[in-house]
Amino acid sequence: QVQLVQSGAEVKKPGASVRVSCKASGSTFSTTYIHWVRQAPGQGLEWMGIFYPIIGSSSYAQQFQGRVMVTRDPSTNTLYMELSSLRYDDTAVYYCARDKESGSDWYSFDSWGQGSQVTVSS
Amino acid sequence: QSVLTQPPSVSEAPRQRVTISCSGSSSNIGKNAVNWYQQLPGEAPRLLIYYNDLLPSGVSDRFSGSKSGTSASLAISGLQADDEAVYYCSAWDDGLKVVLFGGGTKLTVL
Repeated sequence: QVQLVQSGAEVKKPGASVRVSCKASGSTFSTTYIHWVRQAPGQGLEWMGIFYPIIGSSSYAQQFQGRVMVTRDPSTNTLYMELSSLRYDDTAVYYCARDKESGSDWYSFDSWGQGSQVTVSS
Repeated sequence: QSVLTQPPSVSEAPRQRVTISCSGSSSNIGKNAVNWYQQLPGEAPRLLIYYNDLLPSGVSDRFSGSKSGTSASLAISGLQADDEAVYYCSAWDDGLKVVLFGGGTKLTVL
């Protein structure tokens, strides 16, 4: 059973960057696609992007392109999502989630991290 | 406004059956798999249905999914108090190149 464990809460000022980690146990990121989803307070879910482990690259939703980057540390089986130029409306819980059928086009997420609260405040 | 449209709320009595709709378009639901998630307060979402009507291991068969054209539905039978949650549909959109989520439907068990 894959478990995803994320880093803790962060408080950042507008314009700063934040890095959220997502560590896998029980599996590796070598073949498993990982998605990033965020949820603003009281709001719904918003997909940010996907990390393709085989080629080591990501694809992001257009509204985040240029501000988000996902990197991997294979030695610790950890992914990092960095969001820059933070705005107040980036305040949200950020989740990493495993693609159940990596390589398919079903985009179903069967294992989620516990979420990382990011608060943007001056 | 979400591109996938769900009713904001539904309610039904215990032991009854409820359905939650999710309306999209030809670029998302019309062409791609629909997934459903349950989110309890303060928790991460949980996959309930994938690829339109498949149940992940461990999910009760009280939950079922269906899809027709550009719409999908989640049905929950034998409602229980702990089914109270927010339910989201999702699907890939070929035009926007994103995974879309519906706005979520809050289920109240009366």
